[in-house]
Amino acid sequence: DVKVTQSSRYLVKRTGEKVFLECVQDMDHENMFWYRQDPGLGLRLIYFSYDVKMKEKGDIPEGYSVSREKKERFSLILESASTNQTSMYLCASSSMPGTKTTDTQYFGPGTRLTVL
Amino acid sequence: QKEVEQDPGPLSVPEGAIVSLNCTYSNSAFQYFMWYRQYSRKGPELLMYTYSSGNKEDGRFTAQVDKSSKYISLFIRDSQPSDSATYLCAMRRSYNTDKLIFGTGTRLQVFP
Repeated sequence: DVKVTQSSRYLVKRTGEKVFLECVQDMDHENMFWYRQDPGLGLRLIYFSYDVKMKEKGDIPEGYSVSREKKERFSLILESASTNQTSMYLCASSSMPGTKTTDTQYFGPGTRLTVL
Repeated sequence: QKEVEQDPGPLSVPEGAIVSLNCTYSNSAFQYFMWYRQYSRKGPELLMYTYSSGNKEDGRFTAQVDKSSKYISLFIRDSQPSDSATYLCAMRRSYNTDKLIFGTGTRLQVFP
């Protein structure tokens, strides 16, 4: 079974703090993703990575950065947290497209971040 | 207009009912269609995966794709309280790109 773990289930931070969200997958997947999920807006892609040290912006990258130093680990960084970044953050991973057409993304349990 | 539209619900049904969940989409290039189930305070988990038009059945779940109408459905037979969750549809254009486009999710509640 694919296992995607996230470092915290719940996190409370103050405005202006630097926040690190960690994600680790154990299936040797090439691709990793960070989403945020908000009521009425669904899942929105923040950043994704197809390989170590590679990253690409998703639909809402402003205010976020990412780091992928090892294949199994993908970190999301909020440089200076703001209240509008209060949300559920979900990490996902998948194998390289083209290996199996039925491959899709597998999600972690999420981190509920509150910025006060 | 969003690429994928999904009624947010909530949808409340009695145990044993047949449930129909739906999504419409605007981009005819979508070919791969998925349904995810998300329990409260958990991450989404893949439930069904279909390619192009047609039906796919897995136990009490049937996924249906009608590309001509740009409409996908998930049917749940003999619904159980344990089916209470949010159901998200997702789709992608081809298998050599892994960017998924998600619906906003439909919250389903099955009461005993």
